[in-house]
Amino acid sequence: GNSVTQMEGPVTLSEEAFLTINCTYTATGYPSLFWYVQYPGEGLQLLLKATKADDKGSNKGFEATYRKETTSFHLEKGSVQVSDSAVYFCALVAQDQGGKLIFGQGTELSVKP
Amino acid sequence: GAVVSQHPSWVICKSGTSVKIECRSLDFQATTMFWYRQFPKQSLMLMATSNEGSKATYEQGVEKDKFLINHASLTLSTLTVTSAHPEDSSFYICSAIISGGLHNEQFFGPGTRLTVL
Repeated sequence: GNSVTQMEGPVTLSEEAFLTINCTYTATGYPSLFWYVQYPGEGLQLLLKATKADDKGSNKGFEATYRKETTSFHLEKGSVQVSDSAVYFCALVAQDQGGKLIFGQGTELSVKP
Repeated sequence: GAVVSQHPSWVICKSGTSVKIECRSLDFQATTMFWYRQFPKQSLMLMATSNEGSKATYEQGVEKDKFLINHASLTLSTLTVTSAHPEDSSFYICSAIISGGLHNEQFFGPGTRLTVL
């Protein structure tokens, strides 16, 4: 079946450090891939997305590249800020699944000043 | 654009009572909405898919008589937790897909925190 696996958290970084959160997926066909961010006590916000192989999604300094050969969609940011502290979810929508999102388990990021 | 609201944002109720949570698409029409449940420090679990004008489709293991979903219009879906018990305490989040829009993009509400005493 379709699934998403993320690296376990929490991830603790100092401000201006480089961030990588790994995400791999299993899906039939050509899924669309997403990163969502959840700040404490809030719902989810779409951070970035990619809909086909080799697409790079980017937003607010974050970026992720859809790698079909490695079935990965790792999230990266060159210099994190304290305000980036949140939980990050990798997700996919498989083809012909009525728009259902399948989420990874989430990775908590804590950035210290 | 593409704003989804939920009401209430939090609710506390006594065991045995029913609670209704509303999910509204404020600036677009949504044929399809989704309801998720999230436990502390865990991922979102899809409960059901709500389709305007038809019965909701529930995921395996979700009691349809316990979690009643009504999608009466293109901008409103409601989730009613019937005879709530402490184990129903959770963060409930809805999302919506724009009618006629990209079928793979969901817009999320801010969530409703339910505490059952």
